[in-house]
Amino acid sequence: EDQVTQSPEALRLQEGESSSLNCSYTVSGLRGLFWYRQDPGKGPEFLFTLYSAGEEKEKERLKATLTKKESFLHITAPKPEDSATYLCAVQVYAGNNRKLIWGLGTSLAVNP
Amino acid sequence: DTEVTQTPKHLVMGMTNKKSLKCEQHMGHRAMYWYKQKAKKPPELMFVYSYEKLSINESVPSRFSPECPNSSLLNLHLHALQPEDSALYLCASSPALRGRVGGVKETQYFGPGTRLLVL
Repeated sequence: EDQVTQSPEALRLQEGESSSLNCSYTVSGLRGLFWYRQDPGKGPEFLFTLYSAGEEKEKERLKATLTKKESFLHITAPKPEDSATYLCAVQVYAGNNRKLIWGLGTSLAVNP
Repeated sequence: DTEVTQTPKHLVMGMTNKKSLKCEQHMGHRAMYWYKQKAKKPPELMFVYSYEKLSINESVPSRFSPECPNSSLLNLHLHALQPEDSALYLCASSPALRGRVGGVKETQYFGPGTRLLVL
């Protein structure tokens, strides 16, 4: 069964304290791994797409990496405005379509 | 521009009401999605339209009726909802490009959502 697991469930950091979020997956036929950021009551905001093991992408204080079994979202010197829920999703085939299998998210709080 | 718009932002309806949620994108995307999201849960797929045709219905109750009038618009018609249907309803779109060697890069872009409360 296709499955995506994110850890930790919640993370509290001090401003400037770097850390990593984990997304591990077991799927048949990976067609991309996606990271989204979601603020309360709002829609997910797209961050990164990764397609092959060894791929890395960066945006400001965020860096996403991908292996054959997991992805990491590294947050360097976070700021309070980085507080949000970070969602990981894996795209798989569903007949002629593609579907996202979602993790439960990591709730990040960055204290000033 | 990667903007998906949704109206209304908030909706309160009774169990006997009929209402509609609207979604619009002008990115030329040919796949559009409806998701339902409960608090502290990930989005839950409801429907997928590909090239204006319904391609996925995740066994959603018939009180939810999707419609795709054209490639830029997606509606969700609501009728006789239950209180447990209260949630954030999200629309998303993706390119749905065809014929590209090596696969299709199908990043989904989400709208801000409609917060629905059923009384």
